[in-house]
Amino acid sequence: GQNIDQPTEMTATEGAIVQINCTYQTSGFNGLFWYQQHAGEAPTFLSYNVLDGLEEKGRFSSFLSRSKGYSYLLLKELQMKDSASYLCAVMDSNYQLIWGAGTKLIIKP
Amino acid sequence: GAVVSQHPSRVICKSGTSVKIECRSLDFQATTMFWYRQFPKQSLMLMATSNEGSKATYEQGVEKDKFLINHASLTLSTLTVTSAHPEDSSFYICSVSPGDYNEQFFGPGTRLTVL
Repeated sequence: GQNIDQPTEMTATEGAIVQINCTYQTSGFNGLFWYQQHAGEAPTFLSYNVLDGLEEKGRFSSFLSRSKGYSYLLLKELQMKDSASYLCAVMDSNYQLIWGAGTKLIIKP
Repeated sequence: GAVVSQHPSRVICKSGTSVKIECRSLDFQATTMFWYRQFPKQSLMLMATSNEGSKATYEQGVEKDKFLINHASLTLSTLTVTSAHPEDSSFYICSVSPGDYNEQFFGPGTRLTVL
């Protein structure tokens, strides 16, 4: 079966760095996405990785290792507004998105 | 990205009634739109893929006669929850996928509460 695993909840301090991991087992791979979802709102697109390596976009970076079925989202200089759920999603060989359950990130002052 | 709107943003209805949710792609002609449902503290669940001018493709376990989807134009798809029951209370979100990476852009969602 297809499976996406990410931690349920993480806590970090304002100004610090946090890494949210995602491991996946899917039938085929056509890219991995990270989305941010604030409570009561729809997800917003953060990043896309299809090749191995690190993609940096401002305070957010996303890493992919296809051989390990592993990705992480790195958030630097954390701000209170970064408190949200972070969803990992993988596009399989049929171009279907398989969603993880999301990681709730709590930022403390 | 793409701009997607949904209407209404919030709806409360009585059990047994039908509710229509509209999804509009404001700056992109979408031949395909996606409908998701999200229960509290759970991830997104794809309900169906809405295809302009043809029948929607429903995911396993989603009743097509209960969740009616109409995609009459390139900018509008509607989801009608028929004979709604309290267990249909959820956050319904639509999305389009215009991007180079097949990334999806979501509407703001509709929170349905069935009493």
